Amino acid sequence: RKEVEQDPGPFNVPEGATVAFNCTYSNSASQSFFWYRQDCRKEPKLLMSVYSSGNEDGRFTAQLNRASQYISLLIRDSKLSDSATYLCVVGHNDMRFGAGTRLTVKP
Amino acid sequence: DAGVIQSPRHEVTEMGQEVTLRCKPISGHNSLFWYRQTMMRGLELLIYFNNNVPIDDSGMPEDRFSAKMPNASFSTLKIQPSEPRDSAVYFCASRGGTSGSSYEQYFGPGTRLTVT
Repeated sequence: RKEVEQDPGPFNVPEGATVAFNCTYSNSASQSFFWYRQDCRKEPKLLMSVYSSGNEDGRFTAQLNRASQYISLLIRDSKLSDSATYLCVVGHNDMRFGAGTRLTVKP
Repeated sequence: DAGVIQSPRHEVTEMGQEVTLRCKPISGHNSLFWYRQTMMRGLELLIYFNNNVPIDDSGMPEDRFSAKMPNASFSTLKIQPSEPRDSAVYFCASRGGTSGSSYEQYFGPGTRLTVT
């Protein structure tokens, strides 16, 4: 079993749609959680950290469920520019990436 | 501010040659990570350093791979001898610390390696 698992997608949604990604992790001792975004042929870039109480940044909401060992990312009112691969990251001293979920937002 | 710097950005080499990838982390960051990304395997952690000391190299594929961090501002990843299956994008990332927002990693632009 992989340490961090994500639905690879692809997710194809129209502009304005709400889309949600989930990610599960196997190491219950994990203490840090993030969502990264990666555009084609570019490096991953931090989208947002995920806190136990959940957190929101504009159209993006991240949540953590420690009991079930998963994190989620919700994107509301999706834009064409949201098209990218979204990677969940779990770790403590080291950092383990999921395989990524590909999102395409269409006009 | 200068981000993580990697060189070269692209490398094409023949099988059997030695390849050296270089990374300069963000100034003041004390952790450095080397990743490899392929379509088949995604983003894999190869090795990471804390305060220039290798902490976990369990992701290094085999003895052909080695990494060093002689000081806080420079690290290398060496492949000797290289093989076609080493073709991938190699990313370096650095992190400021191990608490709060300093857990966040910042990636360099990557080195795209092609071994023919």
